[in-house]
Amino acid sequence: SQKIEQNSEALNIQEGKTATLTCNYTNYSPAYLQWYRQDPGRGPVFLLLIRENEKEKRKERLKVTFDTTLKQSLFHITASQPADSATYLCALANQAGTALIFGKGTTLSVSS
Amino acid sequence: SAVISQKPSRDICQRGTSLTIQCQVDSQVTMMFWYRQQPGQSLTLIATANQGSEATYESGFVIDKFPISRPNLTFSTLTVSNMSPEDSSIYLCSVRKGDRGYNEQFFGPGTRLTVL
Repeated sequence: SQKIEQNSEALNIQEGKTATLTCNYTNYSPAYLQWYRQDPGRGPVFLLLIRENEKEKRKERLKVTFDTTLKQSLFHITASQPADSATYLCALANQAGTALIFGKGTTLSVSS
Repeated sequence: SAVISQKPSRDICQRGTSLTIQCQVDSQVTMMFWYRQQPGQSLTLIATANQGSEATYESGFVIDKFPISRPNLTFSTLTVSNMSPEDSSIYLCSVRKGDRGYNEQFFGPGTRLTVL
């Protein structure tokens, strides 16, 4: 069955450093992958989408890569700030292609 | 974008009872979904709410336990029936404006349910 793994439950970094989060998937051939941010007590918020034919996508301090051979996406936050502290979720379409299935998430803590 | 509200925001219920959660969107949307997020876990898709027809349930979820209604393009309800402590979770409504899977999904704030 489809499986999404975000292999770090928690990541602690210093302000100003680059945070790199990993998303691996198996039994999938996704046409796209999405990243969301979730703050405590709130629903997830969309950040970026990357398609299978795009190797890299950027938005301000965020960068996402998508390697369909490795079945992996990397999510980078450069010049990280304490306000970036949150849980980041990787998401792919379900088998029907109608809804998103989410990874467990990586909780990022940025200390000043 | 889409602004989603859910009612109630939280509730504490007794075992064996049922709770209906409402989801209201500020604009018409094509797709509506219900997710569950148990403590320390990621979001699990319960079902896709279809307007005018029965919801489409994911493996492990059944209509008798989680009946869903979607009378129009801006509103849906999820009922958690015959509750047990294992149903304690956050239930999230999510919508998508397009019918394409690559469109982003928007989420409500969630309903935090505790079953005693």
